[in-house]
Formats: sequence, structure tokens, C-alpha cells
Amino acid sequence: EDQVTQSPEALRLQEGESSSLNCSYTVSGLRGLFWYRQDPGKGPEFLFTLYSAGEEKEKERLKATLTKKESFLHITAPKPEDSATYLCAVQTSKFYFGSGTKLNVKP
Amino acid sequence: ETGVTQTPRHLVMGMTNKKSLKCEQHLGHNAMYWYKQSAKKPLELMFVYSLEERVENNSVPSRFSPECPNSSHLFLHLHTLQPEDSALYLCASSPSIAGGDEQFFGPGTRLTVL
Repeated sequence: EDQVTQSPEALRLQEGESSSLNCSYTVSGLRGLFWYRQDPGKGPEFLFTLYSAGEEKEKERLKATLTKKESFLHITAPKPEDSATYLCAVQTSKFYFGSGTKLNVKP
Repeated sequence: ETGVTQTPRHLVMGMTNKKSLKCEQHLGHNAMYWYKQSAKKPLELMFVYSLEERVENNSVPSRFSPECPNSSHLFLHLHTLQPEDSALYLCASSPSIAGGDEQFFGPGTRLTVL
């Protein structure tokens, strides 16, 4: 059965404390893996698409990596404005979303 | 207007009411989607349209009825809903339903069923 699992469910960091969020998946026929950021009461905002193992993408303090079974979203020296829920989605012939990681960065 | 817009942003309705959610995308995309987001659950894909044709319906109860009159507009017609249908309803669009196209989301409609 196709499945996407994100961990941890919640993460509290001090400002400047780097960490990583995990998205593991068991699917057949991966077409793309997507990372989104969602703020409370808003729709998800697209961050990255990764297509194949070994691929990496960066944007400001965020870096996404992909292996054959999981993806990591690395956050370097986070700031309070990085606080949000980060969603991972996998596309095969369908889209599968994880439950998200709620990140709280304290000043 | 840019991106994906949704109206209304908030909706409270009784179980016997009929209402509609509207989505409009200004991105020139060919695919549109309805999702349901409930607390602490993954986004649930409800319907997928490609060039105004429904291509996916994920076992959604018939009290939810989608309509896609053209590639820029998507509606979700609601009738005789249940309290457990209260959730954030998100609309999204993408260039196509082919693999690898990211979806762009609207702000959502927060629905409360009394």
C-alpha cells in the first residue's frame, strides 16, 4: 500500500538551532516528491520538487534532499518566521500527502 | 487577482442547507483539485479535473458534488452535510495531471457544519 510518513509530528527549536524533518515513503512509480509550507488558516505554499534519488534543492535556509525511500528538509539556523507546518507529498498516479511536521522556532 | 482564489473564506451551514464553494485559478493551468483537510489528518484528495473532465473521484459521499465549467473555475456544491464534514476545503491547480507538476493551492474555505 502506498504510504507517506512524516516525522517528527512536532518540533520545537531555538532560533539558530539547525535540524531536519523527515518524509519517508513506500510507493511504486514515484513521479515527484514535493515539500510545502503551511501557515495556520492558509493553503499550502509550494517549496520544492524533487524527482530522483540524489537530487538536492535549496532556498534560503531550507535544503531538500531525496533518497530512494525518504526525503529530508534541512533547516539551517532557523528564525521564528520559519515556524509553520511542513508538508511532504508524493506523486505516483495519485497524490499522497503526509500528516506534516509542525515546526515552532522560539526566539 | 493572481494565483488561486477561493470564496467564501469561511462558511457556517446547517445540515439541511445547500451551499457552494468557488475556486478560480489565474495561472493558465489545465488541472484542478479539491482537497479536504481535517485536524491532524493528511490532506484528502476528493476530486481531480483535467481540462474540465473529472478524472478522479476518491469515494467521496454524494453530498459533495463538484462542477468544472471551464479550466479556470471549479465549484464544490454542498447539500445535507454532516458535522464531521467540518474542515478546511482547499482548491489547487497544476499545469497538468502528468507526473512531476507541483500543485498551487488557494487559501481554503473553513467550513463549519452545525
